[in-house]
Amino acid sequence: NAGVTQTPKFQVLKTGQSMTLQCAQDMNHNSMYWYRQDPGMGLRLIYYSASEGTTDKGEVPNGYNVSRLNKREFSLRLESAAPSQTSVYFCASSGLGQGTNYGYTFGSGTRLTVV
Amino acid sequence: AQSVTQLDSQVPVFEEAPVELRCNYSSSVSVYLFWYVQYPNQGLQLLLKYLSGSTLVESINGFEAEFNKSQTSFHLRKPSVHISDTAEYFCAVREWGSGGYQKVTFGIGTKLQVIP
Repeated sequence: NAGVTQTPKFQVLKTGQSMTLQCAQDMNHNSMYWYRQDPGMGLRLIYYSASEGTTDKGEVPNGYNVSRLNKREFSLRLESAAPSQTSVYFCASSGLGQGTNYGYTFGSGTRLTVV
Repeated sequence: AQSVTQLDSQVPVFEEAPVELRCNYSSSVSVYLFWYVQYPNQGLQLLLKYLSGSTLVESINGFEAEFNKSQTSFHLRKPSVHISDTAEYFCAVREWGSGGYQKVTFGIGTKLQVIP
């Protein structure tokens, strides 16, 4: 099925460990995003990539890095995990123009716990 | 800068009763408006959208929202809710653009709890 695929679905890290969250979309969308969702705070944008080859900081970029590997893939890396990064992470993608719905398509999320 | 306000963090409602989830936005330019739904332990799914034209838009499962430009609102309504509508609902706004990237701003969400 077409959409956004995130891996892994669940992860437990120890403080100081690193990991990369993977995201891929097969809708030929230009833009991709990483959000974190925390209770009572809604969705907060970590990083985004408006198009292949570009990345920019969102609201809460500290402690994260991203790579837009190609048009399909956009990864999020935690270099040294902290308990404050315990959250649910969502990848999303979007396109513009005919054939798109002008909204975002979201992945199913990664539940990350840092102990 | 654009912003979205969802006035109610939680809305309990009895099954088969009507419901309205409120959303107000602010923006200096014309916008696209969206409602997303998030069922437990899932990602967000697009429920309905307003791009242009008729100010009343509908989803396939009975929800509707009306764009009110003068009040800068995009409230979500359903005349009779079901248990399966229990979820969190997010209002979102995206500014018009001639092309390229346009950021979407999300509200903090409203949890709809349908009581049997």
